Amino acid sequence: KNQVEQSPQSLIILEGKNCTLQCNYTVSPFSNLRWYKQDTGRGPVSLTIMTFSENTKSNGRYTATLDADTKQSSLHITASQLSDSASYICVVRPLNYGGSQGNLIFGKGTKLSVKP
Amino acid sequence: DGGITQSPKYLFRKEGQNVTLSCEQNLNHDAMYWYRQDPGQGLRLIYYSQIVNDFQKGDIAEGYSVSREKKESFPLTVTSAQKNPTAFYLCASSIGGGARTGELFFGEGSRLTVL
Repeated sequence: KNQVEQSPQSLIILEGKNCTLQCNYTVSPFSNLRWYKQDTGRGPVSLTIMTFSENTKSNGRYTATLDADTKQSSLHITASQLSDSASYICVVRPLNYGGSQGNLIFGKGTKLSVKP
Repeated sequence: DGGITQSPKYLFRKEGQNVTLSCEQNLNHDAMYWYRQDPGQGLRLIYYSQIVNDFQKGDIAEGYSVSREKKESFPLTVTSAQKNPTAFYLCASSIGGGARTGELFFGEGSRLTVL
C-alpha cells in the first residue's frame, strides 16, 4: 500500500536553531515529491517540488533532499524564525502503471513550534 | 491578485442539512480539487475535475457532490448522507491534472461544524 510517513509528529525548537524533518514513503514508482507549509487554519503553501531524479532543492532557508533508493526525503530549515511555526506536509505523487499520474498521497505532517 | 477563494470560512450545520462550500479561482487553471483534512490525518481527496463539465470521485466521495459548470468554479455540497462531516475542507487547483510537476495551489479552507 502506498504510504507517506513523517517524523517527528511534533517538534519544538528555539528561534535561530536549525532543524530537519523526515519523510519516508513506500510509493513506487513515483513522479514527484513535494513539501508544503501549512499555517494553522490556513491552506498549505508549496515549498519545493522534486522529481525522482533530483537530489536536492532549496527555497530560501528551506532545503529539501531526496534519496530515491532508500525512499526518504528530508526538509532542513536553517536559522529558524518564529514565522516558521507551522505544519510541514510531505506529499508524493505516484506513477500509475502505464505512466499516468496518480492522485497525491499526503503525509500527516510534522507540527513545528519555534519559540523565542 | 490571482488566487483561490473559498467561502464561507466557517460554517455551522444542523444534522440532516445539506451545505454547499464555494471555491472560485482566477488562475485560469484547468484542474480543481476538493480535500478534507481531519486532525492527525493527511489530506484526503474527495472529488477532482480536470476539465469543465467533467469530474471524478476521489478516495472519500460518499456523501459529497460537486459540479463544474464553469472553469473558475468548483462548488462542493456536503449532503446529509455524509456521516461525519465536521472537518476542514480545502479546495485546490493546478494548471493541468496530468502535469508532471504541476504545482497545487490551495485556498484558505472552510471549517464545517455539525451541531
